[in-house]
Amino acid sequence: QVQLVESGGGLVKPGGSLRLSCATSGFTFSDSYMSWIRQAPGQGLEWVSYISDDSTTKYYADSVKGRFTISRDNAKNSVYLQMNSLRVDDTAVYYCATTSGILDNWGQGTLVTVSS
Amino acid sequence: EIVLTQSPGTLSLSPGERATLSCRASQNISDPYLAWYQQKLGQPPRLLIYGASIRATGIPDRFSGSGSGTDFTLTISSLEPEDFAVYYCQQYGRTPQTFGQGSTVEF
Repeated sequence: QVQLVESGGGLVKPGGSLRLSCATSGFTFSDSYMSWIRQAPGQGLEWVSYISDDSTTKYYADSVKGRFTISRDNAKNSVYLQMNSLRVDDTAVYYCATTSGILDNWGQGTLVTVSS
Repeated sequence: EIVLTQSPGTLSLSPGERATLSCRASQNISDPYLAWYQQKLGQPPRLLIYGASIRATGIPDRFSGSGSGTDFTLTISSLEPEDFAVYYCQQYGRTPQTFGQGSTVEF
């Protein structure tokens, strides 16, 4: 069955960096677009970024543009989110998901806490 | 960007009752690229409906979606205990894709 497992979250100081990973299995990763979505504590969902199957197309929310970078390794069936210049308001659970526009399969998420 | 406004914020109902949730868009959503998700506490969202009215795989038929243009509705015909959760609409026709703020169905 389809599995997505995020990792790499944790506590980081404002201005710091983290790299999130999402390891996948159970589907043809190299044919799939992938997204990152986040959810601040007690809040709603915010789409962060997506990447096409061949990495040629990447989009970012304005709130993270210039600070976050999405990438993927089709040989490792994994997608990544490099997060730099982190701010307190980046604190959230970060989910990866398969996407064809709709977000049809989600991981369990990894918590990123930005605090001094 | 397209802003989605969901109403009501909270719906207090009992098992067996009908739930009607609304999602209004700030601009026309073509095709329509409108989805609904259910989220329970401590879990990731689960896709319920896409294309405004198409149930995702494994979703019971008590869940139905309707609407077009700027006004969309998710209906749960008869609430089961496991349906008490938060529901989000999402438009995926334009980048950035956006979500509504969520509607809570509580017992």
